[in-house]
Amino acid sequence: AQSVTQLDSQVPVFEEAPVELRCNYSSSVSVYLFWYVQYPNQGLQLLLKYLSGSTLVKSINGFEAEFNKSQTSFHLRKPSVHISDTAEYFCAVSGGPIYSSASKIIFGSGTRLSIRP
Amino acid sequence: DGGITQSPKYLFRKEGQNVTLSCEQNLNHDAMYWYRQDPGQGLRLIYYSQIVNDFQKGDIAEGYSVSREKKESFPLTVTSAQKNPTAFYLCASTDRGTEQFFGPGTRLTVL
Repeated sequence: AQSVTQLDSQVPVFEEAPVELRCNYSSSVSVYLFWYVQYPNQGLQLLLKYLSGSTLVKSINGFEAEFNKSQTSFHLRKPSVHISDTAEYFCAVSGGPIYSSASKIIFGSGTRLSIRP
Repeated sequence: DGGITQSPKYLFRKEGQNVTLSCEQNLNHDAMYWYRQDPGQGLRLIYYSQIVNDFQKGDIAEGYSVSREKKESFPLTVTSAQKNPTAFYLCASTDRGTEQFFGPGTRLTVL
């Protein structure tokens, strides 16, 4: 069975500081990996995803994540955060295309990122 | 604009009442999902549907029911059998691909 562990429930950082949100997964099959962002009282938005190919994937707003198969990790990083990055971030894994009944997407418990001025 | 709409945004229910949460999408997606979100627990799958007139239970289906009579609509009913229904409910959809699109959510509170 697949599972996702987000090691930090809350991460406070100062504005313009770097940040890393940690995510580890377990799966016996090849995986698709995702990071979603949720702003207060809103739905989730896809931030970035790894399906295959280059292990480093990037979002349009400066976040990046690296798929590390040997460490079964998919940590999210940003070199300099902004107040607007304050949100909850969810790591997720699936075993394949997520429309398949055999490949549901499994979410981690979330990491709340709070940015201090 | 294509997207997913959920209504209402806030919903209050008395104990013992059934309530129905609406989810509509105009993305022409085949698959639709309902998740429940509780603080510190991430998202848990309630029901999902891959095609019209077909749906499957997720991990926490007890006390919930769904229907899929139209491709664009996937309403969720929270029945009186659900012992702890206060939560944030999210609807999502996907095409035959790799991304789920989410609605804005409905916050249900039992009084």
